[in-house]
Amino acid sequence: AQSVTQPDIHITVSEGASLELRCNYSYGATPYLFWYVQSPGQGLQLLLKYFSGDTLVQGIKGFEAEFKRSQSSFNLRKPSVHWSDAAEYFCAVVGGNKLVFGAGTILRVKS
Amino acid sequence: EAGVVQSPRYKIIEKKQPVAFWCNPISGHNTLYWYLQNLGQGPELLIRYENEEAVDDSQLPKDRFSAERLKGVDSTLKIQPAELGDSAVYLCASSPRGYNGELFFGEGSRLTVL
Repeated sequence: AQSVTQPDIHITVSEGASLELRCNYSYGATPYLFWYVQSPGQGLQLLLKYFSGDTLVQGIKGFEAEFKRSQSSFNLRKPSVHWSDAAEYFCAVVGGNKLVFGAGTILRVKS
Repeated sequence: EAGVVQSPRYKIIEKKQPVAFWCNPISGHNTLYWYLQNLGQGPELLIRYENEEAVDDSQLPKDRFSAERLKGVDSTLKIQPAELGDSAVYLCASSPRGYNGELFFGEGSRLTVL
């Protein structure tokens, strides 16, 4: 069965600094991969997705992610973090008609 | 375009009491999902509907949980009786026909069982 690991429970970065959130997945076939963001008290919002093709995908709010099949990873990046990016970020994979989420990484932004 | 609407946003009940959550998906979205989100964890699928049909309810604890989607539009998730361990956020999501993982989520219903 497919699974997703997000190794970092919490990450703190300074405003304006770069960000990388890690995600590793387990799935036998070519995965569909996603990053969702959840602000406090809100539902999840899709940031970006990877289905096939170019392994570097662009999303909303200036985020991007890179699919690396050899490392089974789909890390999320942003070159310059804004205070409004503070939220919880979930990596997810579709396999067997089911969307499976990781446990999430909470991003804190310090000024 | 209106998003996925859920109610109530917050609910506090005593254990053994019943509770129900309501969800209205985005207009035209045939697929509706109920997810359970425990504190510090990612959402976990409880049930997925294609129109009126529950196509995946393998993770729904059927002894106390039930769901329905009459007429293939809005949906209700019920817990009876509630237990302390049911305290969590219940998320509803919808997507257009054709499953590819792009879901639109509501704000969730936070349940506290005392």
